[in-house]
Amino acid sequence: SQQGEEDPQALSIQEGENATMNCSYKTSINNLQWYRQNSGRGLVHLILIRSNEREKHSGRLRVTLDTSKKSSSLLITASRAADTASYFCATGANSKLTFGKGITLSVRP
Amino acid sequence: DTEVTQTPKHLVMGMTNKKSLKCEQHMGHRAMYWYKQKAKKPPELMFVYSYEKLSINESVPSRFSPECPNSSLLNLHLHALQPEDSALYLCASSQGNWYRDSSDTQYFGPGTRLTVL
Repeated sequence: SQQGEEDPQALSIQEGENATMNCSYKTSINNLQWYRQNSGRGLVHLILIRSNEREKHSGRLRVTLDTSKKSSSLLITASRAADTASYFCATGANSKLTFGKGITLSVRP
Repeated sequence: DTEVTQTPKHLVMGMTNKKSLKCEQHMGHRAMYWYKQKAKKPPELMFVYSYEKLSINESVPSRFSPECPNSSLLNLHLHALQPEDSALYLCASSQGNWYRDSSDTQYFGPGTRLTVL
């Protein structure tokens, strides 16, 4: 069963703009992770934020976590055409990850 | 080496065939996973191995049979599959930790694209 629900389902932006993706979940978690998947390929881990953390940065990525609202957001700054991919949030609990439905991001050159 | 490898890349099989998918990692990870992913859907967990023992089976039909021969290898044996089993099968690994919840970062292989005729 899916734990995370991303919003929006699809996002199209111009190169150089920022992209914000949101994820909501239902139950308690140990951590929340974001992954990227290029078409038909394996998933690549982007960032992990633990349940006791509120914000984390990695390069052009910024992730926030609000456990009271059971939500997270991923911000990609200064987007590039190469950022075009599907993005999944995944909640970590009980020794496994449960993935949300995913967001399709298109970055126009 | 931070790579998870999967073979074959593509597999076409009939409903009466027996085939196997293979996954390998040399990162010293002690947890390994099989996922199934249909087009435009998220990965769905099938099995988790922790320290070479099956720890999670997400009610997967018995026509899928996992095997973990050692800490670096994970196989998925396929028998009498149905056309609806056609999907991308992803393997992943993570450090794993036997004494606490180890829902940590997972490293994915490129997947095996399976078509069942």
